[in-house]
Amino acid sequence: AQKVTQAQTEISVVEKEDVTLDCVYETRDTTYYLFWYKQPPSGELVFLIRRNSFDEQNEISGRYSWNFQKSTSSFNFTITASQVVDSAVYFCALRREDSNYQLIWGAGTKLIIKP
Amino acid sequence: DAMVIQNPRYQVTQFGKPVTLSCSQTLNHNVMYWYQQKSSQAPKLLFHYYDKDFNNEADTPDNFQSRRPNTSFCFLDIRSPGLGDAAMYLCATSREKAGSSYNEQFFGPGTRLTVL
Repeated sequence: AQKVTQAQTEISVVEKEDVTLDCVYETRDTTYYLFWYKQPPSGELVFLIRRNSFDEQNEISGRYSWNFQKSTSSFNFTITASQVVDSAVYFCALRREDSNYQLIWGAGTKLIIKP
Repeated sequence: DAMVIQNPRYQVTQFGKPVTLSCSQTLNHNVMYWYQQKSSQAPKLLFHYYDKDFNNEADTPDNFQSRRPNTSFCFLDIRSPGLGDAAMYLCATSREKAGSSYNEQFFGPGTRLTVL
């Protein structure tokens, strides 16, 4: 079975705190792709990162960082020094190699950054 | 800037009255997607076009149709909207090549459909 679990439904932190959004996935495929998207209140889904299953390097982009661990089937997302503009719903998604372009989405985590 | 554009941003229709949502892209991507997203849920893929080839998801109701007259434009037709079709409709694009790794999808701002 293919599945993406984002166990945190909602997280609320005060501005400047660090926050980690969890993503755990299930797949039997050896080749797959993981994505993170941000959906601010305006509604547009914004692509953040793509990670291939054969590339376990962690990535940092400004205040954003991603920790990909195949051993625990996790692809967690950390925001350092959070800002109010980071408030959004964040989705983790999985795509199988032979999925016919279907993305398997997590339920999303609503992140609230309080000033 | 290259982008995915959706019109209108807000659409109100009456129960049973056909409605068409439009999507255009300047990214020159070969794959276009239509998603339905209801409140507090993840997007649900309705169908996609790989070039001119139409691919319908198995659980997409017959009430939903799509047209892609050219690379840049794609339309979502809802033939007889019901109250349950009220949702955000998202268009997305990606550049895909057979045998290559999958690329990310780029989304438009969405059209919020209200059915009265």
